[in-house]
Amino acid sequence: AQKVTQAQTEISVVEKEDVTLDCVYETRDTTYYLFWYKQPPSGELVFLIRRNSFDEQNEISGRYSWNFQKSTSSFNFTITASQVVDSAVYFCALSEMSNFGNEKLTFGTGTRLTIIP
Amino acid sequence: DVKVTQSSRYLVKRTGEKVFLECVQDMDHENMFWYRQDPGLGLRLIYFSYDVKMKEKGDIPEGYSVSREKKERFSLILESASTNQTSMYLCAGSDRGETQYFGPGTRLLVL
Repeated sequence: AQKVTQAQTEISVVEKEDVTLDCVYETRDTTYYLFWYKQPPSGELVFLIRRNSFDEQNEISGRYSWNFQKSTSSFNFTITASQVVDSAVYFCALSEMSNFGNEKLTFGTGTRLTIIP
Repeated sequence: DVKVTQSSRYLVKRTGEKVFLECVQDMDHENMFWYRQDPGLGLRLIYFSYDVKMKEKGDIPEGYSVSREKKERFSLILESASTNQTSMYLCAGSDRGETQYFGPGTRLLVL
């Protein structure tokens, strides 16, 4: 069975600090996708990134960056120069293919990030 | 991107009531999903649908059923609501094999 572990339940940092959210996964699939979603206080999950298991290149998007390491089964997310608007719950997720060829997502339990002004 | 809407943001129901949660997506995508979110448990898949009138159980289908009569609409039904079904319910839509996009969520309180 697939599993996603986000060991950090809550993190608080002062604004402008960098912060890294950890994600460790388990799967027997050779082809899979990894995701990060953000859930602000409004409740809606906002898609941030999707990464193919064959693509281990790190990705940077503005202040956000992602480090995918297959050797350690990790897909960590770093926010540089954090801002108050980054305060949210962040979920890491892993896909698996269902019997009908559609992706099912397994989510971690989330990390609540609070940026202190 | 898929635009996903849910009929209610907040809902209060009584134990034993039949509850309908509605979800609509506007991009003609095949797949739709229902999750529930609880503190410390993350999101758990209840049911999903890969086509009209087709459905597949997720990880926690007990106490729920679903209906998909039209491609754009996916309903979650609580046949007889119980207090342990108090939760946040999230609907998502996607193309086959593509990213899931989520609606705003419905916070359901069962008294």
